[in-house]
Amino acid sequence: QKEVEQDPGPLSVPEGAIVSLNCTYSNSAFQYFMWYRQYSRKGPELLMYTYSSGNKEDGRFTAQVDKSSKYISLFIRDSQPSDSATYLCAPSQGGSEKLVFGKGTKLTVNP
Amino acid sequence: SQTIHQWPATLVQPVGSPLSLECTVEGTSNPNLYWYRQAAGRGLQLLFYSVGIGQISSEVPQNLSASRPQDRQFILSSKKLLLSDSGFYLCAFSGGGRGQPQHFGDGTRLSIL
Repeated sequence: QKEVEQDPGPLSVPEGAIVSLNCTYSNSAFQYFMWYRQYSRKGPELLMYTYSSGNKEDGRFTAQVDKSSKYISLFIRDSQPSDSATYLCAPSQGGSEKLVFGKGTKLTVNP
Repeated sequence: SQTIHQWPATLVQPVGSPLSLECTVEGTSNPNLYWYRQAAGRGLQLLFYSVGIGQISSEVPQNLSASRPQDRQFILSSKKLLLSDSGFYLCAFSGGGRGQPQHFGDGTRLSIL
């Protein structure tokens, strides 16, 4: 089983839709959870950063972590064409300097 | 504020030529530094990371090497490039604290001919 699994998509939604992006992981030692957004031909940009289980909201974005199920989610409300990008989840053990990245989900928001 | 600079943005090199990609960080001291390669459909592959000057950990045996001659400078090198070295190379940094997120540069797209 891979450490982090993420559906590569592609995912296509109309503008204004609620988007749900998900990852599962196998390592119960993961404590820190990050979501990155990557536009084409650019480096990944940190979008959300959470510790342990629970929810974190930042504007239209909500990150959710369920450690009991080893399941992490990113919700985007009122999606915009500018949200069209690849989204990568990246959990970390903390204590270790390394992140483990999912392969990314490509999202297209159609106007 | 903390910033990361990576250059060049695009590079085309012949097989067998040397390589040097440079990354510098501003606005922080003693960062952790990383080199990744991103291939289509394969996600981000960690190549090297460094927790201090002269301290380099290699994740994947390959044709590449890394050096950290100064606190905020990280260099990726090769003596002889292979076709398989083509890809999108990304430099990243993080603070030294526990669980700190990584922040990425805009990458170098390397094509080997």
